[in-house]
Amino acid sequence: AQSVTQLGSHVSVSEGALVLLRCNYSSSVPPYLFWYVQYPNQGLQLLLKYTSAATLVKGINGFEAEFKKSETSFHLTKPSAHMSDAAEYFCAVSDGAQKLVFGQGTRLTINP
Amino acid sequence: DSGVTQTPKHLITATGQRVTLRCSPRSGDLSVYWYQQSLDQGLQFLIQYYNGEERAKGNILERFSAQQFPDLHSELNLSSLELGDSALYFCASSTRGDRGETQYFGPGTRLLVL
Repeated sequence: AQSVTQLGSHVSVSEGALVLLRCNYSSSVPPYLFWYVQYPNQGLQLLLKYTSAATLVKGINGFEAEFKKSETSFHLTKPSAHMSDAAEYFCAVSDGAQKLVFGQGTRLTINP
Repeated sequence: DSGVTQTPKHLITATGQRVTLRCSPRSGDLSVYWYQQSLDQGLQFLIQYYNGEERAKGNILERFSAQQFPDLHSELNLSSLELGDSALYFCASSTRGDRGETQYFGPGTRLLVL
């Protein structure tokens, strides 16, 4: 069965610093991988997704993620954090069916 | 705004009661998914419908049921509610319900069982 592990339930960075949110997956089939963001009291919004077209995926709001098969990782990065990036971030894998299997989430805090 | 709507936004009820959560998918989407988000279990897939038919089932309790109507809106029915059912329930939709498709999430219904 597919699974996702997000390393670090809380990450805190300074405004302008690099954001790195870690995601490792387990999948018995070539995976589809997603990053979603959840702002307080809102639903999940897609940041980006990997569907095997390119290993480096660019998303919205300056975020990108790199698929590394050898490391079974799909880490999310942003070169310079902004206060508006404070939210909870979820990595997800689409398994052999259509459902999404989510990680436990990483809460990102931005310090001024 | 994802285009997926959910009602009600908040629901407070008592143990043993029954509630119905409603979801309208994005225009043109045929597939609807239900997820539960709780502090202890995280985000868990419950069930998927495609064009009125059940397509996949996840960790959905027997006390819970869902359906998708001809106009493609979906309802999630939760009965004999327990304190542990308190959670945020999300509906998502996608075009065909195929693996790898982007799922667009609604704002959720926050259920509190007292």
